Amino acid sequence: DVKVTQSSRYLVKRTGEKVFLECVQDMDHENMFWYRQDPGLGLRLIYFSYDVKMKEKGDIPEGYSVSREKKERFSLILESASTNQTSMYLCASSLTGDETQYFGPGTRLLVL
Amino acid sequence: GNSVTQMEGPVTLSEEAFLTINCTYTATGYPSLFWYVQYPGEGLQLLLKATKADDKGSNKGFEATYRKETTSFHLEKGSVQVSDSAVYFCALRNSGNTPLVFGKGTRLSVIA
Repeated sequence: DVKVTQSSRYLVKRTGEKVFLECVQDMDHENMFWYRQDPGLGLRLIYFSYDVKMKEKGDIPEGYSVSREKKERFSLILESASTNQTSMYLCASSLTGDETQYFGPGTRLLVL
Repeated sequence: GNSVTQMEGPVTLSEEAFLTINCTYTATGYPSLFWYVQYPGEGLQLLLKATKADDKGSNKGFEATYRKETTSFHLEKGSVQVSDSAVYFCALRNSGNTPLVFGKGTRLSVIA
């Protein structure tokens, strides 16, 4: 079974802090994705990556950056956290040629 | 651009009732269509998919048929159970290795 893990289930940070959200997948998937999920807005794509050291902006990249130094790991970085970044963050991965995305359990981030 | 519209929730049904969650899409080309489900406290998981017109996806008693003429992919189940309570997301992916585009989700509550 594919496993996508996220470093924390719950996180509380202060405004202005630098925040790292980590995602690891164990199935050698080329593609990895970061979404945020908000009530009434569904899932919105922040960034994605098709290969190591590659990244593409999604629909809402402002205020975020990403890092993919190894194939299995995709990090989402909030350079200076703000209260409007309070959200559920979901990571996903997929194999090129397989349309199914596999999701992690999510990290619920609260920025005070 | 590509977009997915699904009926707003929440939807509340009694056990053994018939379920329909409407989903329509706008896309260039010939997308693949998906239903994902998110159980409480978990990430999303694929429920079913269809890759071309008139295909029917099915899983766990749920079904959806890809209707190109009406650009729809409605989710149905003949008899829901309490354990089906979750948020359901309709999604599409266009050809190539593009990310999924999600609808806003529909929360289903099934009461005994």
